[in-house]
Amino acid sequence: KAGVTQTPRYLIKTRGQQVTLSCSPISGHRSVSWYQQTPGQGLQFLFEYFSETQRNKGNFPGRFSGRQFSNSRSEMNVSTLELGDSALYLCASSERGLSYNEQFFGPGTRLTVL
Amino acid sequence: QQQVKQSPQSLIVQKGGISIINCAYENTAFDYFPWYQQFPGKGPALLIAIRPDVSEKKEGRFTISFNKSAKQFSLHIMDSQPGDSATYFCAATNGANNLFFGTGTRLTVIP
Repeated sequence: KAGVTQTPRYLIKTRGQQVTLSCSPISGHRSVSWYQQTPGQGLQFLFEYFSETQRNKGNFPGRFSGRQFSNSRSEMNVSTLELGDSALYLCASSERGLSYNEQFFGPGTRLTVL
Repeated sequence: QQQVKQSPQSLIVQKGGISIINCAYENTAFDYFPWYQQFPGKGPALLIAIRPDVSEKKEGRFTISFNKSAKQFSLHIMDSQPGDSATYFCAATNGANNLFFGTGTRLTVIP
């Protein structure tokens, strides 16, 4: 099976712009989670989607949003970008979204905000 | 507030030695404790995981020790190899599919 794919791999934006990142989960996986990874804060959970519904949400402002499509592909959107949004955004998929289901991570999208 | 505390931040071990990384948590609702390995330019990959009903789990050279009463768990890498050089993250979750990660340990294994 193909792994989790994320596009684009690298992105440069300026403050105030918005950005959309895409994630294609492993075939058959219905849960997609998003994480932000920064040197200062480490890996932080953004949100999880399961069967097109947001099931869990981390402690991020409303500028961060996401959605999941019927084919389980997911997108996350960040509006009004700030310098502090520069990070590696990781997507992870799992089969049924249970806590002990292994989460498979994609390679991430490196977002730089200038 | 860091829900999972991890130490050390970095670790240098000779080839063939034992690497030990420690994590501690406060939330007693956590019921699944995975360890992830991350190489530069890659996403984290699951290494080994444990549930709180067992005190130890071993897979090859990797062992998790779990102390429920102390709310601590650790990763032991036996016979460490240069290919093990990576960043290791402990994590915990409480029944939902959101992982709380430790801050990571950068392991360097010297040949």
